[in-house]
Amino acid sequence: QVQLQQSGPGLVKPSQTLSLTCTISGDSVSSNSAAWTWIRQSPSRGLEWLGRTYYRSEWYDNYGVSVKSRITIKADTSKNQFSLDLISVTPEDTAVYYCGREVTDAYYFDSWGQGTLVTVSS
Amino acid sequence: QSVLTQPPSVSGAPGQRVTISCTGSSSNIGANYDVHWYQQLPGAAPKVLIYGDTNRLSGVPDRFSGSRSGTSASLAITGLQAEDEADYYCQSYDNSLTDWVFGGGTKLTVL
Repeated sequence: QVQLQQSGPGLVKPSQTLSLTCTISGDSVSSNSAAWTWIRQSPSRGLEWLGRTYYRSEWYDNYGVSVKSRITIKADTSKNQFSLDLISVTPEDTAVYYCGREVTDAYYFDSWGQGTLVTVSS
Repeated sequence: QSVLTQPPSVSGAPGQRVTISCTGSSSNIGANYDVHWYQQLPGAAPKVLIYGDTNRLSGVPDRFSGSRSGTSASLAITGLQAEDEADYYCQSYDNSLTDWVFGGGTKLTVL
């Protein structure tokens, strides 16, 4: 049973960087059959896929078109974690952020973290 | 504005059947990418119910079923129960955006 535990601040100031971490138990961040994903949800934008990182003999990442210029997702194999950095945030980035596991070759998300409400406000 | 279009709400009495539609385009559902369905209870993360158009995840009651045709897909729920009251989302891949995309969600009310 995969479990994902999110951590990080719930309040970020405009123009600063939003940083969240997702700790994995029951699987490995280096798994060859999964990708590790960030998704956010807000009333104005609904569910929005932000990006993913995955390992297939080397590390790869893909990012959503709406955040591509501002986002970095990285894995930390020593801690079995992956992280999200979103720079230059605005109030539009206020949302509940979820980490998740994507079943690759099937392209759906079968495990989700508990969600973190991140508010961008001064 | 979500890439996949769902009705904002549907409702039905206990025991009835409801369907939730998910309409896409030639760059997502119409391009034959799989459609997946999620249930989100209040205050919780979404949970996958149906993957690959028609496959129920282990433990999901057979009252839930998925189908697709052309640029659309549907989730059907038969024998409605009070515990089915939730938000439901469809999800697919879009090769024009090169993103995973979601529907705007449908709130199911059990009368």
